[in-house]
Amino acid sequence: QQQVKQSPQSLIVQKGGISIINCAYENTAFDYFPWYQQFPGKGPALLIAIRPDVSEKKEGRFTISFNKSAKQFSLHIMDSQPGDSATYFCAAMRGNQFYFGTGTSLTVIP
Amino acid sequence: AAGVIQSPRHLIKEKRETATLKCYPIPRHDTVYWYQQGPGQDPQFLISFYEKMQSDKGSIPDRFSAQQFSDYHSELNMSSLELGDSALYFCASSLGGPYISSGANVLTFGAGSRLTVL
Repeated sequence: QQQVKQSPQSLIVQKGGISIINCAYENTAFDYFPWYQQFPGKGPALLIAIRPDVSEKKEGRFTISFNKSAKQFSLHIMDSQPGDSATYFCAAMRGNQFYFGTGTSLTVIP
Repeated sequence: AAGVIQSPRHLIKEKRETATLKCYPIPRHDTVYWYQQGPGQDPQFLISFYEKMQSDKGSIPDRFSAQQFSDYHSELNMSSLELGDSALYFCASSLGGPYISSGANVLTFGAGSRLTVL
């Protein structure tokens, strides 16, 4: 059973546009929500993370929006660049239990 | 800063052979996780260790075993290899085990070991 549902599976965005990736979860015990960025053949790298008591967190061009009542959170990449082309995974954590979403392959077209 | 070190980076084996992957966590990290990632798939959790004891078990086949040693490094042993075992194997480490706030438990991943079974 997939603990974290992620959409879309793939996303194509023009350079300078906004990339939006959505995730949803059911288990309200989750208490930390990181996003990872993975380039081909590389390990996932932590990008940004948020706690459920915060509705938004911004780091540079990357913003997480969190809706606790809807059990949904999303990653927004502003001014998307070709170098942002990668696979993005959302995740949910509870203690040392860690669940990945199914991933979104982002392609930013120059 | 020191990262999670995995070895070997690439490994080619024949069916029914055995393979061992090694993982050296970030210094002072006490928790190690193993993940398997097939092409185009999300990482699948195999097993984790906290303070040298197995802390959680995922979809690890019975043909696989793992352990964490006194220096906190971990090894994943895979026997009777099958074609379907070909994948990227990631190790990740974190600090704090099951009772620390999740922020401290955020996983740091290694670069992965690519196993090809022929």
